[in-house]
Amino acid sequence: GAVVSQHPSRVICKSGTSVKIECRSLDFQATTMFWYRQFPKQSLMLMATSNEGSKATYEQGVEKDKFLINHASLTLSTLTVTSAHPEDSSFYICSAALRVSGSNQPQHFGDGTRLSIL
Amino acid sequence: GNSVTQMEGPVTLSEEAFLTINCTYTATGYPSLFWYVQYPGEGLQLLLKATKADDKGSNKGFEATYRKETTSFHLEKGSVQVSDSAVYFCALSDRTGGGNKLTFGTGTQLKVEL
Repeated sequence: GAVVSQHPSRVICKSGTSVKIECRSLDFQATTMFWYRQFPKQSLMLMATSNEGSKATYEQGVEKDKFLINHASLTLSTLTVTSAHPEDSSFYICSAALRVSGSNQPQHFGDGTRLSIL
Repeated sequence: GNSVTQMEGPVTLSEEAFLTINCTYTATGYPSLFWYVQYPGEGLQLLLKATKADDKGSNKGFEATYRKETTSFHLEKGSVQVSDSAVYFCALSDRTGGGNKLTFGTGTQLKVEL
């Protein structure tokens, strides 16, 4: 159980293109989804936290207009990298958790999306 | 604020060797502690967790004990296999703000050779 599917797994596109990445929880309802960015041989950097039906909460230094997050349903969140440039090339990973009051539910991660901007 | 410190890698071991990856943390309140594993080109998989002091998490031969007195959550395995080669992340999550926000360590790469 607790499977998170992320799509696409790899994207190569030209500078200036907008890219959408989908994150789906397949067998549970994820009230909270997280988006991370991982640079080569480094840890995960949390970009934003997304709660279903509300605006995402972005971490300090993350551009809201650059990285658009939508969490329209309990099983789907999307990250859109707008007008992508080579410096946006990275490995993006989503995770999902069921929010239970008074309890820490583990995050379940997707397999990541390798984004390469030419 | 919260932080997690892991031993730097890479750690290179021979098959069947004993593994220890150190992890210490700083947190306000009473965090839950996790170990995640990342295989090349993939996302993270939850390996084990512990939610309170003295709890032992275990899975696939890996173990870690939540030590509040030393603020540690070291990962151990008695006999590693080549298939254990991956990057291991220690992480904590606290209840502050009611969310599940994770704080990760920098990751430790494990290489197991025949």
